[in-house]
Amino acid sequence: AQKITQTQPGMFVQEKEAVTLDCTYDTSDQSYGLFWYKQPSSGEMIFLIYQGSYDEQNATEGRYSLNFQKARKSANLVISASQLGDSAMYFCAMRTITGYSSASKIIFGSGTRLSIRP
Amino acid sequence: NAGVTQTPKFQVLKTGQSMTLQCAQDMNHEYMSWYRQDPGMGLRLIHYSVGAGITDQGEVPNGYNVSRSTTEDFPLRLLSAAPSQTSVYFCASSLYRGRNEQYFGPGTRLTVT
Repeated sequence: AQKITQTQPGMFVQEKEAVTLDCTYDTSDQSYGLFWYKQPSSGEMIFLIYQGSYDEQNATEGRYSLNFQKARKSANLVISASQLGDSAMYFCAMRTITGYSSASKIIFGSGTRLSIRP
Repeated sequence: NAGVTQTPKFQVLKTGQSMTLQCAQDMNHEYMSWYRQDPGMGLRLIHYSVGAGITDQGEVPNGYNVSRSTTEDFPLRLLSAAPSQTSVYFCASSLYRGRNEQYFGPGTRLTVT
């Protein structure tokens, strides 16, 4: 069965420091995609970054990068030069291809609450 | 484009009542899904659909029904509400496969007493 695990319920980081949020996944599919979303206290879900299982390069989007280690089944989010506005919940998600219908579902981890200290 | 819209924003139900949460998108996305988010937790997939007439169960489907008669709409029905269904419900849509991220609605906060 597919599963996403985020082992850090909460993290505190000093402003301007870099932070790594951990995500490990489990799937038997060869083709899959990994996403990170941010959920501020207002509740909306904001897409940050995507990594495909066949992408050779790690994904980057501005201050966000994804440290993809396929053999370890990990897809950690790295935020460089953290800002106060980065305080939020962060969710790792995976898109997999299921069996008979080739339907593609997206499941989420339990999230990490990141707090940035001034 | 309005994106993904959900109604209502808030709802209070009594145990045993039924209701339908509405979700619509105007981006011509094939894939739509419903999640529930309990306090301090992640999103759990309830049901999803890869196109009109095609739906499938997610991680926590019990107590919920869905149908997809059009590309735009994907309503979620609670058959007989229970306090355990108190949660925030998110609808999301995306293009079918690949690197296309999901666009989320604003959520419906449901309380069952």
